[in-house]
Amino acid sequence: NAGVTQTPKFQVLKTGQSMTLQCAQDMNHEYMSWYRQDPGMGLRLIHYSVGAGITDQGEVPNGYNVSRSTTEDFPLRLLSAAPSQTSVYFCASRRGVDNEQFFGPGTRLTVL
Amino acid sequence: AQKITQTQPGMFVQEKEAVTLDCTYDTSDPSYGLFWYKQPSSGEMIFLIYQGSYDQQNATEGRYSLNFQKARKSANLVISASQLGDSAMYFCAMASNTGNQFYFGTGTSLTVIP
Repeated sequence: NAGVTQTPKFQVLKTGQSMTLQCAQDMNHEYMSWYRQDPGMGLRLIHYSVGAGITDQGEVPNGYNVSRSTTEDFPLRLLSAAPSQTSVYFCASRRGVDNEQFFGPGTRLTVL
Repeated sequence: AQKITQTQPGMFVQEKEAVTLDCTYDTSDPSYGLFWYKQPSSGEMIFLIYQGSYDQQNATEGRYSLNFQKARKSANLVISASQLGDSAMYFCAMASNTGNQFYFGTGTSLTVIP
């Protein structure tokens, strides 16, 4: 079991560029989420999914898109990167509402 | 509205002593789950302990225990016999059984002093 994997680990973008952060899990979990972590602010939910084909917005969704075509994959797309999106991004998955989340190793994104 | 509050930005504890990290939460859902995660300086998020809102007993996992006071809406983490490797950020989180979302507090930085 690889658990939750994320690629890339590090990324530098210029303002206005777009990119996709990849996330995959091999635990057959229905629930998947994307978070961003900024100093002093904990983890904030960007988007989440409760199953293939179902996504919803979290606390800070602006500037990001997601899709969930398979149970395993949950990519996060930055449409037009801005310096305010400089952050560490975590993908997570869990089996159900009463279960702990398993986190990927994170992607450190810098937008210049 | 903020769902999880951790009022201790930083804490220090002597090695081998016990320490309590505070967490209060706000929800109107009748059923919810409370979680604690550890984030060492390497950055990964490590699950520590879970408490369901209907659990009668406080959860324990090795040196970790959760002091759950439902009426006060608090879910404090107690670490017994602190070790140097316990130095990390600790996050309290809540999952709503109806909202499908997971809310995190802002974290507490724990430093264990030899």
